[in-house]
Amino acid sequence: DTGVSQDPRHKITKRGQNVTFRCDPISEHNRLYWYRQTLGQGPEFLTYFQNEAQLEKSRLLSDRFSAERPKGSFSTLEIQRTEQGDSAMYLCASSYGQGHTEAFFGQGTRLTVV
Amino acid sequence: AQKVTQAQTEISVVEKEDVTLDCVYETRDTTYYLFWYKQPPSGELVFLIRRNSFDEQNEISGRYSWNFQKSTSSFNFTITASQVVDSAVYFCALSETGANNLFFGTGTRLTVIP
Repeated sequence: DTGVSQDPRHKITKRGQNVTFRCDPISEHNRLYWYRQTLGQGPEFLTYFQNEAQLEKSRLLSDRFSAERPKGSFSTLEIQRTEQGDSAMYLCASSYGQGHTEAFFGQGTRLTVV
Repeated sequence: AQKVTQAQTEISVVEKEDVTLDCVYETRDTTYYLFWYKQPPSGELVFLIRRNSFDEQNEISGRYSWNFQKSTSSFNFTITASQVVDSAVYFCALSETGANNLFFGTGTRLTVIP
């Protein structure tokens, strides 16, 4: 399968714990995005990478959130000191080239903070 | 400021009926892109179409068609002869010039009843 892959698919954690999610984009895609989706809402943009450079961060990305994309390949999204409000689906997407090309999404990681 | 409104929260139709999903957007940009994505129960967003603001031609792809009208800031999506497999949440999204992300509406949940 050559689509966008996310791991884990589900994560249950206790409030205050740290969690890390991984995204493997389509191999030739230079752009990678993280979105968050809560129940009944559309995805909301969190952050964007072009190759290994993190070029944009949403104001939704508080200082408890950090994302990396070492060597411009896979990406990780870490949430420190999780809160119940962090419970959501975290979606990764990738695209290729310049401009507003179509983005391919992974199946997401569903986080539940208890 | 950008805004995407999908006023229809949920729609139910009987199989083989036609259904139109509405999308109204707001943007100050003269150049922008509009998208439709499908999110089946598996959670992965599937790209359906991208349209730039200079191309107002309607598009048809099999049972799917899109009506883009700049005069009313709408980008509506019609499914002809709906099938059970069309059951999903459909999102309309906007991307402005210089933006690196998609701005999504809240989605319309379509249920096709056999």
